[in-house]
Parts: sequence; C-alpha cells; structure tokens
Amino acid sequence: GAGVSQSPRYKVTKRGQDVALRCDPISGHVSLYWYRQALGQGPEFLTYFNYEAQQDKSGLPNDRFSAERPEGSISTLTIQRTEQRDSAMYRCASSLEGLAGANTGELFFGEGSRLTVL
Amino acid sequence: GEDVEQSLFLSVREGDSSVINCTYTDSSSTYLYWYKQEPGAGLQLLTYIFSNMDMKQDQRLTVLLNKKDKHLSLRIADTQTGDSAIYFCAESNDYKLSFGAGTTVTVRA
Repeated sequence: GAGVSQSPRYKVTKRGQDVALRCDPISGHVSLYWYRQALGQGPEFLTYFNYEAQQDKSGLPNDRFSAERPEGSISTLTIQRTEQRDSAMYRCASSLEGLAGANTGELFFGEGSRLTVL
Repeated sequence: GEDVEQSLFLSVREGDSSVINCTYTDSSSTYLYWYKQEPGAGLQLLTYIFSNMDMKQDQRLTVLLNKKDKHLSLRIADTQTGDSAIYFCAESNDYKLSFGAGTTVTVRA
C-alpha cells in the first residue's frame, strides 16, 4: 500500500486476554518502530527494528509486551494478559533508511491501533 | 515525554500567525521536529531542523531554534482552518524520538 497500514484500527478486549497488533510498513522501508500514545500525551518509544533484527526494545514496559518482524517487513506487537493500563493508541512507523541514516526524522506513521482493555 | 514540554492549547484567528513553543532538556539532541496530528489520522512530519541551525523556513512554516535555551518554536503564517490539529514537538539524537504532549491548535473564524 501507499502508507503504513495497521490493524485492527480498534480493539476492545477483556482484561487477561492476549492481543496482537499488526503493522504493514511502506514497501522497502528498512526501519520499523512501535510507539504507544496515551490519551492527551505524545507517543512514547517502545521498540525498533532494522530489517528483521530487533535493535532496541528498551521501551517495552514489561515482559508481557513483545514484538517481532520475522521477514523484515510486517511486524506484530503482542500484549499478553492485558491490563487496563495497557489501553492506549499503538502507533507503528517506518522509515526508508537503516541505522546509519535512521536519524533523519522521515518517519511515516500509520493511523494507529486503539486498544481498550475492559 | 517529560524531556520535551509544550503548552497544551492555542487559539488563533484565521489569517493570523500561530506560534507554538517547545522546550527540551537533552543538550545532545541532533534533530528537532514538528509533527501534525489530525483527528483519525497518523502523525505527519511537518518539518525538522538540525541542531546546528538557527532557523528554517518552508512556505508558511518557520522554525526557530535557540540551542542555548533549548527552545524550539514553530510559526505558521496566515493560519487557515485546515491548520487546526495537534502539533507535537520531538527531539532525537539517534533513532528514538521523544515527543512532547502536543499543542492543540484551534483556528477560529
């Protein structure tokens, strides 16, 4: 597609359930990022992939959160045993360049997946 | 994030200039950015400035950087109703961006 695609756009789940959020980056983009945005706040970094390698997962809040990008394209963010505090907008972004040129600001964000945990 | 602060709201009359201010704490920031978020849409990069620059102009947008005071501003000339959105300031010195909480700009007729 032309832009970064995320699914589902909206997910309502019960506390304790697992959820998987999918990101389809722009074709050919090397870098992929996950951010989380709480209501009324700016996005906060979760994790970063360069091709299929997870280069940085320092922003993942705890071990219930994991992410993968097995073939260097589509990525999945998985939250196990969801809690109400996990409710937020989860945003994926991609950029053309890898680590060497990652710091150009040219991140393309998807529309996000809004997660609500009841 | 706590490292980047910006005022929460700005109301401006159509046709006037808007100025959105931002302060940051990381003196090693290499790039500073302004993103725009419209309802139901993703974040859109408006402009960015390298830390060794003082000013950058792009059509109706002017970015001013005071590195000594760690202060960044975005001026939008001739503000239009389509400029109503949330504007995020962000900084980075690597691949991670640290965002402010966003300034909601409302353009009134």
